[in-house]
Amino acid sequence: ILNVEQSPQSLHVQEGDSTNFTCSFPSSNFYALHWYRWETAKSPEALFVMTLNGDEKKKGRISATLNTKEGYSYLYIKGSQPEDSATYLCAFHPGNQFYFGTGTSLTVIP
Amino acid sequence: NAGVTQTPKFQVLKTGQSMTLQCAQDMNHNSMYWYRQDPGMGLRLIYYSASEGTTDKGEVPNGYNVSRLNKREFSLRLESAAPSQTSVYFCASSGDRSINEKLFFGSGTQLSVL
Repeated sequence: ILNVEQSPQSLHVQEGDSTNFTCSFPSSNFYALHWYRWETAKSPEALFVMTLNGDEKKKGRISATLNTKEGYSYLYIKGSQPEDSATYLCAFHPGNQFYFGTGTSLTVIP
Repeated sequence: NAGVTQTPKFQVLKTGQSMTLQCAQDMNHNSMYWYRQDPGMGLRLIYYSASEGTTDKGEVPNGYNVSRLNKREFSLRLESAAPSQTSVYFCASSGDRSINEKLFFGSGTQLSVL
């Protein structure tokens, strides 16, 4: 069992604020790190698959960075909107299975 | 494309009853997974199947059995349900064995064991 930790557990921000959260994972046996967005009453959907140290990915106002040597990834949301409200999961993928963190629940207040 | 289809969406069982959760994907994916989601815990892997004909235990396999019936279908069976198996269950698949492969999830099954 591998330990994948996410912080903070939950976050409330005002519309227009920028925010970021962290995923920590083992720095050995790295293959890939995934970010998923999980809206209430829906299924998780992939945001990013990150594979190289120093990777930066961007999708609209959401971006992510990766540091495999120290075992962390940051997810950034610029100018949060109410539709960004969701739980954001990271998953560490050492090559065979996916190990999920407990998620960061984001609420954007209009 | 339906993606990953999971049935049923909701189920209530009495302790000791058995049931099978069905999952099918139409994306020609090789790997399929069963996860459970409990409050305060991340998605925990129950079983996975890396290819047709193979299955492997995940983090929390006790009390469950699986069958990879063919490339499309991967079922999860509870032989004698216990209250500790009350959870939301997700089936997922992943496809191309590339480093960029990602998981596609079904819509989940909310199971209550009384």
